[in-house]
Amino acid sequence: DAGVIQSPRHEVTEMGQEVTLRCKPISGHDYLFWYRQTMMRGLELLIYFNNNVPIDDSGMPEDRFSAKMPNASFSTLKIQPSEPRDSAVYFCASSLWGRDRASGYTFGSGTRLTVV
Amino acid sequence: AQKITQTQPGMFVQEKEAVTLDCTYDTSDPSYGLFWYKQPSSGEMIFLIYQGSYDQQNATEGRYSLNFQKARKSANLVISASQLGDSAMYFCAMSADNYGQNFVFGPGTRLSVLP
Repeated sequence: DAGVIQSPRHEVTEMGQEVTLRCKPISGHDYLFWYRQTMMRGLELLIYFNNNVPIDDSGMPEDRFSAKMPNASFSTLKIQPSEPRDSAVYFCASSLWGRDRASGYTFGSGTRLTVV
Repeated sequence: AQKITQTQPGMFVQEKEAVTLDCTYDTSDPSYGLFWYKQPSSGEMIFLIYQGSYDQQNATEGRYSLNFQKARKSANLVISASQLGDSAMYFCAMSADNYGQNFVFGPGTRLSVLP
């Protein structure tokens, strides 16, 4: 298995521009998570999906952030308009509920976003 | 609500010695799982070890073991025979069953292994 695949690895954009981060979870996993990591706030859970349905988006910082999961193999996190304070590493992770939780939640390599 | 506390922002250990990284948690859910992840300077999140709340024995994975004290709500990670490659950030995390898959992390501990 190729693991959780995130793209792009790095993104530099100007303030006010739209940014779209992409994630392909592990095939067969039914949960998908988006996290943001900053030095100040650590790892924050933004939103998670179960079977493509958003379950909890209480961690999404504001209306500029939106996430979708149109099918089991793809999810996007969009920021529009982007601001410098959105600069962070964004991780996607997936898991399979009820089976082998001991194997943990698998993370992608992350997208490092810089908004200038 | 769930909460993870890691009170050691940074730790130093001499190579080949053992080190304990502290983690305490708070949940009202009787069924939950505790996890430790390693994040080296390259940035990826590496799963290390898992402990279920109903597991009778402490989890072990190679040089990693989890000192689980349920009554104290602590889940400390013990790394034996530290290696230079163990230098990294270490995160404790939990998932409680009644919160679905809401998977929350502590602030992390930066471990530095000295030669």
